[in-house]
Amino acid sequence: EVQLLESGGGLVQPGGSLRVSCAASGFTFSNYAMSWVRQAPGKGLEWVSAISGSGGSTYFADSVKGRFTISRDNSKKTLYLQMNSLRVEDTAVYYCAKSEWEILSIDYWGQGTLVTVSS
Amino acid sequence: SYELTQPPSVSVSPGQTARITCSGDALPKKNAYWYQQKSGQAPVLVIYEDSKRPSGIPERFSGSSSGTKATLTISGAQVEDEADYYCYSTDSSGNHGVFGTGTKVTVL
Repeated sequence: EVQLLESGGGLVQPGGSLRVSCAASGFTFSNYAMSWVRQAPGKGLEWVSAISGSGGSTYFADSVKGRFTISRDNSKKTLYLQMNSLRVEDTAVYYCAKSEWEILSIDYWGQGTLVTVSS
Repeated sequence: SYELTQPPSVSVSPGQTARITCSGDALPKKNAYWYQQKSGQAPVLVIYEDSKRPSGIPERFSGSSSGTKATLTISGAQVEDEADYYCYSTDSSGNHGVFGTGTKVTVL
């Protein structure tokens, strides 16, 4: 059974940094691309970033490019999202998601971790 | 930036058919995916690659795509199908994911 468990969310001040993680199990982690998707309170889903199985290719939404970094440690079966220069509008639940077909496709989702950017 | 447009809401009576559309210029060349999100829960995949249904998803859920429009159909909608539904695809470059604006389905 595929399981994705996010952690690391919390309260951070505008301009600050935070790293969220996603521990994966139930599949061969290194064989699959992974993504981050966020959802601001009461709003729709927003694709944030994706990374290939090897980690050699990364993709970012224009809204986070240059501020966020995606990475993975295949030996630890863990996905990361490093968020710098955080803004109030980055406040959201951040979901980790697994890709099955195309790199940016999504089949399974974690339960999410809440990131709140506020002074 | 690229956008996928959905109707904000769709209402149907139990047992009737609900259709949710998703419009985007790149859809003729890019696959569409559909997700169901119930209140307070993570999204769940209900259709992938335009029209394929994952195991465990009821047969009443089906998908199609023609030209710049993808459609999710719920045939014989049930009360438990009440949720927000999102389409998802990529832009023409394939380097950016995009979610649709979301559709709230009410079954009553």
